Amino acid sequence: DAMVIQNPRYQVTQFGKPVTLSCSQTLNHNVMYWYQQKSSQAPKLLFHYYDKDFNNEADTPDNFQSRRPNTSFCFLDIRSPGLGDAAMYLCATSRGQGAYSPLHFGNGTRLTVT
Amino acid sequence: ILNVEQSPQSLHVQEGDSTNFTCSFPSSNFYALHWYRWETAKSPEALFVMTLNGDEKKKGRISATLNTKEGYSYLYIKGSQPEDSATYLCAFGNDYKLSFGAGTTVTVRA
Repeated sequence: DAMVIQNPRYQVTQFGKPVTLSCSQTLNHNVMYWYQQKSSQAPKLLFHYYDKDFNNEADTPDNFQSRRPNTSFCFLDIRSPGLGDAAMYLCATSRGQGAYSPLHFGNGTRLTVT
Repeated sequence: ILNVEQSPQSLHVQEGDSTNFTCSFPSSNFYALHWYRWETAKSPEALFVMTLNGDEKKKGRISATLNTKEGYSYLYIKGSQPEDSATYLCAFGNDYKLSFGAGTTVTVRA
């Protein structure tokens, strides 16, 4: 089945220690998104790629970076995680850019910062 | 920041009963309204994408309505079953971006 896969499912990192979360897709969608969801809050868009074009949300901290080396893979790098970065990180894809295309999500990576 | 509100935050419903809950969103610059179901330990799954005022969508026992003029959408679950237990997220779309609500968590009691 075509799908969106996130690894790892759970990630524990230390305060200030860089961490990378990964996402892969077999849907061949050209748009990939990273969302951050803190407990009981709405998922918040961090950035998205339309093909190779990177679009950063204005309020995404500089501490968060992303790479998309090819259509299938996208990475979220947190350069110096703080305690406030503990959250569920969701990767999603869509066929087109725009509000009309449904998102296809991975299972998420739950990040703990100690 | 676009304000997308969902209410209630959580609800409990007896198996076999019907229920509904609300998503409210800005009534300007509307492109689409999405509903997603997120079961525990699974990925959020798209239920509906609605674009026109007055739209009604149905998938099995779940249906949704849309009022873009007043900025709200209802999701209905008819004859709730334990497998309907999940968090239901709505998302308001303008141009390229979806802004999510915090969700309504539904627990169906047998």
